[in-house]
Amino acid sequence: DTEVTQTPKHLVMGMTNKKSLKCEQHMGHRAMYWYKQKAKKPPELMFVYSYEKLSINESVPSRFSPECPNSSLLNLHLHALQPEDSALYLCASSQGELYSYEQYFGPGTRLTVT
Amino acid sequence: AQKVTQAQTEISVVEKEDVTLDCVYETRDTTYYLFWYKQPPSGELVFLIRRNSFDEQNEISGRYSWNFQKSTSSFNFTITASQVVDSAVYFCALSEPDRGSTLGRLYFGRGTQLTVWP
Repeated sequence: DTEVTQTPKHLVMGMTNKKSLKCEQHMGHRAMYWYKQKAKKPPELMFVYSYEKLSINESVPSRFSPECPNSSLLNLHLHALQPEDSALYLCASSQGELYSYEQYFGPGTRLTVT
Repeated sequence: AQKVTQAQTEISVVEKEDVTLDCVYETRDTTYYLFWYKQPPSGELVFLIRRNSFDEQNEISGRYSWNFQKSTSSFNFTITASQVVDSAVYFCALSEPDRGSTLGRLYFGRGTQLTVWP
């Protein structure tokens, strides 16, 4: 079963709100990723967690705060976002952090910041 | 510099036509991996294939086939007898060791929007 789930599917939030995106996988994968994708662009890597530890932070603004409570769950906490943060947020997982592993993606959360 | 180039931004074909999506990559590593992903309008990226740099055999999976040529740094994807359900954005991606470590990082091309008309 190669399934990564994400909730919610859609989210509209104001610039002063605090919200969280959730991602879950039950494939026993040890690496999990957050990507941001703007329309007609490829996904851009934001964060990588490996064995529940943050291993890559692509200089993402602090208004995005990732959290990995356990090996199956990945959260992205959002606070004081800007309209330009509106995008599709994709979660992915892979067996490990090695560059040889393929990543499996969830369906994404479409975020609109008003 | 762009590590993965997908020169075709959009391609339109009529059902049952064959179509080839081009992918050219750039890397200094001798060990690397190449991937293709499909992104239908629903948004989810679907993994299609992984190929390592030491395996230049072409691969066929149903109507899909991939041609890997190290000499030209290309990893092209052909869909035979295309169908409307093949309409999607297709991304080619490269994964190589990150700054001397073995961390995985995908470098995506800009994607090719394929539209298959009935």
